[in-house]
Amino acid sequence: GAVVSQHPSWVICKSGTSVKIECRSLDFQATTMFWYRQFPKQSLMLMATSNEGSKATYEQGVEKDKFLINHASLTLSTLTVTSAHPEDSSFYICSAEAGGPYNEQFFGPGTRLTVL
Amino acid sequence: AQSVAQPEDQVNVAEGNPLTVKCTYSVSGNPYLFWYVQYPNRGLQFLLKYITGDNLVKGSYGFEAEFNKSQTSFHLKKPSALVSDSALYFCAVRVSSASKIIFGSGTRLSIRP
Repeated sequence: GAVVSQHPSWVICKSGTSVKIECRSLDFQATTMFWYRQFPKQSLMLMATSNEGSKATYEQGVEKDKFLINHASLTLSTLTVTSAHPEDSSFYICSAEAGGPYNEQFFGPGTRLTVL
Repeated sequence: AQSVAQPEDQVNVAEGNPLTVKCTYSVSGNPYLFWYVQYPNRGLQFLLKYITGDNLVKGSYGFEAEFNKSQTSFHLKKPSALVSDSALYFCAVRVSSASKIIFGSGTRLSIRP
């Protein structure tokens, strides 16, 4: 089946630094990828839709200057948390659409970000 | 607007007993329905989906779900629970292949030995 990877799986950083998270579709091409955020014991909240070769579409309330998304190729999307603060600590999950008649989404394993 | 509800925050079942995790949805159109499972500090694992066809859908690890259009429900079931089924379960819906997925709030399933 389709596999999506994320790197790193976890990261700890100091407040004020920027952190980049990669999302890769390993065995398929994805023109569209999605970034979700999950707080402890809560559901996934869609942050943005990442489209290859164009600007990302952000959900209401998500700061586009804070969460930079780049989808430079059909197999890679990156999320950069700029000037991270403790409130940005969360579990970030990406997914990628595999195309086909139903355009299924496949999810990555997630990245745990802890900002000290 | 489309939405999905999981009315139970937690479901407790004894090992070997049948389990049901409830899900209802609200969409303006024909729904695509999904169930995912999440283990601690892990991403989502796909269990099963309903898009069209038979209302009873069989998925991974012995789980199944029944699409009930009149009740707008898509409850997840398993005839005999295992302790290893203990995890967080998410129901999700999208209206078409082009729309975003909306997740329910999640139900924590706890299977006691």
